[in-house]
Amino acid sequence: KNQVEQSPQSLIILEGKNCTLQCNYTVSPFSNLRWYKQDTGRGPVSLTIMTFSENTKSNGRYTATLDADTKQSSLHITASQLSDSASYICVVSDRGSTLGRLYFGRGTQLTVWP
Amino acid sequence: DTAVSQTPKYLVTQMGNDKSIKCEQNLGHDTMYWYKQDSKKFLKIMFSYNNKELIINETVPNRFSPKSPDKAHLNLHINSLELGDSAVYFCASSQKSGTRKRDTQYFGPGTRLTVL
Repeated sequence: KNQVEQSPQSLIILEGKNCTLQCNYTVSPFSNLRWYKQDTGRGPVSLTIMTFSENTKSNGRYTATLDADTKQSSLHITASQLSDSASYICVVSDRGSTLGRLYFGRGTQLTVWP
Repeated sequence: DTAVSQTPKYLVTQMGNDKSIKCEQNLGHDTMYWYKQDSKKFLKIMFSYNNKELIINETVPNRFSPKSPDKAHLNLHINSLELGDSAVYFCASSQKSGTRKRDTQYFGPGTRLTVL
């Protein structure tokens, strides 16, 4: 069964600290993995997209890694800011058909305290 | 300069009513989507349209009917609303099918539907 599991479910850190969010998946065959940031009351916004051959991708203070062998990804946030408080969603798509399908994790709720 | 817009932002209605949510994108994208996000923040895809044709239809009650008058619009009509339909509904669009390669999906602000 294709699944995407994220951990931790929620996380609280102090402003300026770093943190790492985890995403494990069982989706097969794999096409790509995306990380989205969703602010409260807003729609998700894409942070990174990685295909099979990419191990790491950065977007400012956000760095995503992908290990396609172990089917794990992480999102590392450096020098956190208050505006980083949001839900971070991992999404994996397969290559099972011409268009593929998307599998969503339940998200990690990050809260950054001053 | 809104990329993906939805109306209304909030919708409160009685059980059994019929309602519609509208979505428009001005990005020139070919593919549009409807997602449902439940109270536990879990996003689930409902429909996907590519150039006005339905390409993904997840297991969704047939009370939900998407309509795409043109490729810039994808509306969601819901008949006989039930309590369990209460959720936030997001519209999204992508250049091509958002599941392949690097097609980024751009999400609208969401419509919070409350069924009483």
